[in-house]
Amino acid sequence: TQLLEQSPQFLSIQEGENLTVYCNSSSVFSSLQWYRQEPGEGPVLLVTVVTGGEVKKLKRLTFQFGDARKDSSLHITAAQPGDTGLYLCAGAQGYQLIWGAGTKLIIKP
Amino acid sequence: KAGVTQTPRYLIKTRGQQVTLSCSPISGHRSVSWYQQTPGQGLQFLFEYFSETQRNKGNFPGRFSGRQFSNSRSEMNVSTLELGDSALYLCASSLMTALGTDTQYFGPGTRLTVL
Repeated sequence: TQLLEQSPQFLSIQEGENLTVYCNSSSVFSSLQWYRQEPGEGPVLLVTVVTGGEVKKLKRLTFQFGDARKDSSLHITAAQPGDTGLYLCAGAQGYQLIWGAGTKLIIKP
Repeated sequence: KAGVTQTPRYLIKTRGQQVTLSCSPISGHRSVSWYQQTPGQGLQFLFEYFSETQRNKGNFPGRFSGRQFSNSRSEMNVSTLELGDSALYLCASSLMTALGTDTQYFGPGTRLTVL
């Protein structure tokens, strides 16, 4: 059973466009993390959101945690080729992390 | 501070063989998790060790096992390899913050190919 649904699974857009990736669940998480993984490497943590309704910005990336702490979104403004990668969300329940299947993002120059 | 290291980085084995992968966590991290990543299945949790004890286990057959040493280094073993075991095996060490969140720091992975 997939407890954390991530969408879309794949996204290919032109440089300069905006995009949003979603992470949804029926379960409540104490926190939610977003990672980015590039080919041949392990995932790297981008951000952790902890409070319901929290919004965090990391340059052109905006992360939001739902009010009920069941869902999250990642919005990228003016995407660049360097944003290409696999984006993974992970929800924390106790000391366990529940992982989404990932969104493969390709930004074409 | 040195990151998570995994050895070897690449491995080629044949069906029926066994393999041992090694992971050295970030200094001070006591939790080590192992994942299998394949294009079709995504990131699948194998198990987590904390202070030498397996604290959590994913849904994998008994051919997959692991252990953690007193210095927090961890190994995972896969016996009787099958073609479907070909994957990137990732190790992550964890820092428990005061809020109880579990930030995972990943190594570069071991790419296992089973022929």
